[in-house]
Amino acid sequence: DIVMTQSPDSLAVSLGERATVNCKSSQSVLYSSNNKNYLAWYQQKPGQPPKVVIYWASTRESGVPDRFSGSGSGTDFTLTISSLQAEDVAVYYCQQYYNTPITFGQGTRLEIK
Amino acid sequence: EVQLLESGGGLVQPGGSLRLSCAASGFTFSSYAMTWVRQAPGKGLEWVSAISGSGSTYSADSVKGRFTISRDNSKNTLYLQMHSLRAEDTAVYYCAKGAALTMIFENWFDPWGQGTLVTVSS
Repeated sequence: DIVMTQSPDSLAVSLGERATVNCKSSQSVLYSSNNKNYLAWYQQKPGQPPKVVIYWASTRESGVPDRFSGSGSGTDFTLTISSLQAEDVAVYYCQQYYNTPITFGQGTRLEIK
Repeated sequence: EVQLLESGGGLVQPGGSLRLSCAASGFTFSSYAMTWVRQAPGKGLEWVSAISGSGSTYSADSVKGRFTISRDNSKNTLYLQMHSLRAEDTAVYYCAKGAALTMIFENWFDPWGQGTLVTVSS
């Protein structure tokens, strides 16, 4: 199984500042035949189901604000929120869909400082 | 608008059984893989089972032999039959749609239902 490890476990950032969440996979999730990274990011607000924000490691889901961006390749990935807003408070999860079983990171709790 | 509505959760004793349902609408149900993901109270996300549009299935080792995923494309409904339930199966169970039409098990999920709580306790 591919193990997904996120860092940090929790993060407090001031409004308007940059927030960065990291995700590392135990093996590469880059599929060489199409040069795509099989990595998604989800946002889960309290009492709500997860919502995808990024897929293919860097493709923003429709309707997601452009302050959200994803980067990285192979085994190391980053979710960046360029200017934190109050509504971004949530737990963020990375997920690999390179192979089964599908696996998620343990989550990163993002709060306002 | 794509909608997923889970039902069937509740309190069950250890060793008991339960069947979850997920009613889907707003898309061509039979064309998409569907999946169940669970979340224990205060914990992270754990993928449980997936099923292709044609009925091929794949399950996590933690539930293999106890849980069975199925679907009825005529009713636009996804199911999860759970047997031999354990305390560690206590979680909110979400159904989710495979986001990419051309991908089966290796997929991201969009959208997710609101979830149904399963509590295994005596």
